[in-house]
Amino acid sequence: DGGITQSPKYLFRKEGQNVTLSCEQNLNHDAMYWYRQDPGQGLRLIYYSQIVNDFQKGDIAEGYSVSREKKESFPLTVTSAQKNPTAFYLCASSTYRLAGAKNIQYFGAGTRLSVL
Amino acid sequence: GEDVEQSLFLSVREGDSSVINCTYTDSSSTYLYWYKQEPGAGLQLLTYIFSNMDMKQDQRLTVLLNKKDKHLSLRIADTQTGDSAIYFCAESLLNTGNQFYFGTGTSLTVIP
Repeated sequence: DGGITQSPKYLFRKEGQNVTLSCEQNLNHDAMYWYRQDPGQGLRLIYYSQIVNDFQKGDIAEGYSVSREKKESFPLTVTSAQKNPTAFYLCASSTYRLAGAKNIQYFGAGTRLSVL
Repeated sequence: GEDVEQSLFLSVREGDSSVINCTYTDSSSTYLYWYKQEPGAGLQLLTYIFSNMDMKQDQRLTVLLNKKDKHLSLRIADTQTGDSAIYFCAESLLNTGNQFYFGTGTSLTVIP
């Protein structure tokens, strides 16, 4: 059963703590993405990776870090430097396409992060 | 960066048609997409349109694209209560490869 698995579904962070959100895909996709969703603001790109061991900052990367050691996995760490981390976090993946080609992103079910 | 706008809320009566609108600013878009998000869930692709087309129909869904005005719309015929969700438009641009730009999302409420 192919898809994208995000865990945990709910996560709580204490002040000064780093937390890591997991994203795993078995779709054999090269590209993976992390988005943050806040009410009324749509999806904002945090980081994306088009190939193993390479990733780029998105529009709101400050306070976040990622790694891409395996094709299937793209974990996101929310560091203590992110002062307003409460949001819904979505992971997505897609095949790698040259610019201008059709490209469909597939999404996980999301992780809701709250601050204690 | 690219700016993609949608109105935040839309309410329709069950059985009526819904029209969700989206405007964008960058004319180099290649494909435009519509996604649906049910409460507490991820996004699910509904349909997409190539930027050289002006209309695409897929069962109850009709996508209209006015490239001159940079305006995209999604029409849902015979709207049902199960269509209540947030709808996002998204575009991919010629020079940004696999990166998507998402709209702010429109929350559709279907009244029985």
